[in-house]
Amino acid sequence: GAGVSQSPRYKVAKRGQDVALRCDPISGHVSLFWYQQALGQGPEFLTYFQNEAQLDKSGLPSDRFFAERPEGSVSTLKIQRTQQEDSAVYLCASSLRGTDIYEQYFGPGTRLTVT
Amino acid sequence: GIQVEQSPPDLILQEGANSTLRCNFSDSVNNLQWFHQNPWGQLINLFYIPSGTKQNGRLSATTVATERYSLLYISSSQTTDSGVYFCAVDLLEYGNKLVFGAGTILRVKS
Repeated sequence: GAGVSQSPRYKVAKRGQDVALRCDPISGHVSLFWYQQALGQGPEFLTYFQNEAQLDKSGLPSDRFFAERPEGSVSTLKIQRTQQEDSAVYLCASSLRGTDIYEQYFGPGTRLTVT
Repeated sequence: GIQVEQSPPDLILQEGANSTLRCNFSDSVNNLQWFHQNPWGQLINLFYIPSGTKQNGRLSATTVATERYSLLYISSSQTTDSGVYFCAVDLLEYGNKLVFGAGTILRVKS
């Protein structure tokens, strides 16, 4: 079946611009996660949805970052007034909650470069 | 918060050699996953292994939850095994968010 998809794959933004990154999780997956991966480091947690409810946004680095999942499927991560330190790969993952197995599956990521 | 340490940080192998990657974690965990990040950045699921031993072809993994470590074994390495290997753990009470180690960079030479 289809995996997690993300778009765009690459985004170049000028400092101060707003960007929106999209994630399509695996069909039927209840849980959705966003992670940020800086160059040479492991991914770091940003936020977590269960269906349409955002249950944890403790990893969002500033109030310029906003995520939504209005219908419990597709999610959008929005970054307002981008800064150079926002340059990173943004990864989306989904998992099938409701069982004892919480294995997460990742999309290919969106590489954001802020110039 | 929970700490995840991976070793070695870098590893260079000749094609055909075997290797062992280690992941230590500082607290009891609900879930442990091993990933391979390929040169294009895609995180590929290798194992979901909160405890016990699993094998998949040339790869196997063992997690000893009571001693808070996991091992990933790669046998008869191939150049396509090159990339970064990540261990990631989660605690149920933290909503299953994964905490990643810093990774092991593996280079397999032909």
